[in-house]
Amino acid sequence: GNSVTQMEGPVTLSEEAFLTINCTYTATGYPSLFWYVQYPGEGLQLLLKATKADDKGSNKGFEATYRKETTSFHLEKGSVQVSDSAVYFCALSDNRNQFYFGTGTSLTVIP
Amino acid sequence: ETGVTQTPRHLVMGMTNKKSLKCEQHLGHNAMYWYKQSAKKPLELMFVYSLEERVENNSVPSRFSPECPNSSHLFLHLHTLQPEDSALYLCASSQGVGRFYEQYFGPGTRLTVT
Repeated sequence: GNSVTQMEGPVTLSEEAFLTINCTYTATGYPSLFWYVQYPGEGLQLLLKATKADDKGSNKGFEATYRKETTSFHLEKGSVQVSDSAVYFCALSDNRNQFYFGTGTSLTVIP
Repeated sequence: ETGVTQTPRHLVMGMTNKKSLKCEQHLGHNAMYWYKQSAKKPLELMFVYSLEERVENNSVPSRFSPECPNSSHLFLHLHTLQPEDSALYLCASSQGVGRFYEQYFGPGTRLTVT
């Protein structure tokens, strides 16, 4: 069946460091891929998405490229800020009304 | 962002109680969802409604009973819960169902079953 695997956290980085959070998926067909972010005490917010192979989603300096050959959708940001501290979720959506989420990766950015 | 609201934000209930969670979306969306978020586990999709019709029920115990009276409101009725049901329950909505539609989440209800 479909599933999403993302790197275990927590991740701690200094401000302005480069961020990569790995995400790989297993799916039949042609899913869409998403990154969501959850700040403390809040629900999940969509960060970016990609709906087909080689698409690059981007938002607020974050990027992820849909790689069908490696079944990956890694999240990257060139220079993180303290305000980026949150939990990040990789997710997959198929055409059968199902959403599959990873376990989340907690990021803490220190000044 | 107040597109999706959930009440109450916190709920403590005994195993013999009956309570309901409420979700309301102000985005004009046609689909709504319930998720369970437990520590160290992926979000679990519980129910999906599209145009007030339930389209998915992911093997959820019958002690959880959803209700969608219109496209803006979604309820989760709870009865005779177990301690392992303690979790954050998230509601979400989307313009439609299927892989092209992203979901918008509410802040969740933190449920504790004693």
